[in-house]
Amino acid sequence: NAGVTQTPKFQVLKTGQSMTLQCAQDMNHEYMSWYRQDPGMGLRLIHYSVGAGITDQGEVPNGYNVSRSTTEDFPLRLLSAAPSQTSVYFCASSFTGLGGYTFGSGTRLTVV
Amino acid sequence: KQEVTQIPAALSVPEGENLVLNCSFTDSAIYNLQWFRQDPGKGLTSLLLIQSSQREQTSGRLNASLDKSSGRSTLYIAASQPGDSATYLCAVSGTDTGRRALTFGSGTRLQVQP
Repeated sequence: NAGVTQTPKFQVLKTGQSMTLQCAQDMNHEYMSWYRQDPGMGLRLIHYSVGAGITDQGEVPNGYNVSRSTTEDFPLRLLSAAPSQTSVYFCASSFTGLGGYTFGSGTRLTVV
Repeated sequence: KQEVTQIPAALSVPEGENLVLNCSFTDSAIYNLQWFRQDPGKGLTSLLLIQSSQREQTSGRLNASLDKSSGRSTLYIAASQPGDSATYLCAVSGTDTGRRALTFGSGTRLQVQP
């Protein structure tokens, strides 16, 4: 049982480039979410999804897009990378959003 | 807007001490509270989940309490060990569909000296 899988683990982008961070879970969880973690600021919610076809914005959504075409996958797209998006990104899932959350191991992104 | 605060931000103790980490939240309308552990450069590992109707949860040397009305939770670690050194994060989830995502505190960085 893999849990929540994030790829890649590390990525360096140039300003203006785009990329997609992948997140997949094999627990049949309805609720999935993306967070970014910056030093001294804890984890902040970027986008979340309560089920396939349904997404909504979190606290810091600007510069990011998401889609949820299947229950298993919840990719995060950076449209035009900026140095302010240098961070560690975590994907998390929960059965209903009301139970405990399981986190992926994270993607460390550097934008130069 | 829910805000979560963790005190202290950092803590250093000698091995064997019992210690308490504190978490407070501003909106008592939570569904549950979860404590996580994060090792440097790693992801989050769930330690304890307390539903809003519960007062405490225990797992081994860890005990977490919840006082929803006062907006407080504590994580008690008994007989600390060097392997407990990590950052401990507290997070709460809201009660309605749109607010089920977690709101995190900034964490307490714990170092247990051998």
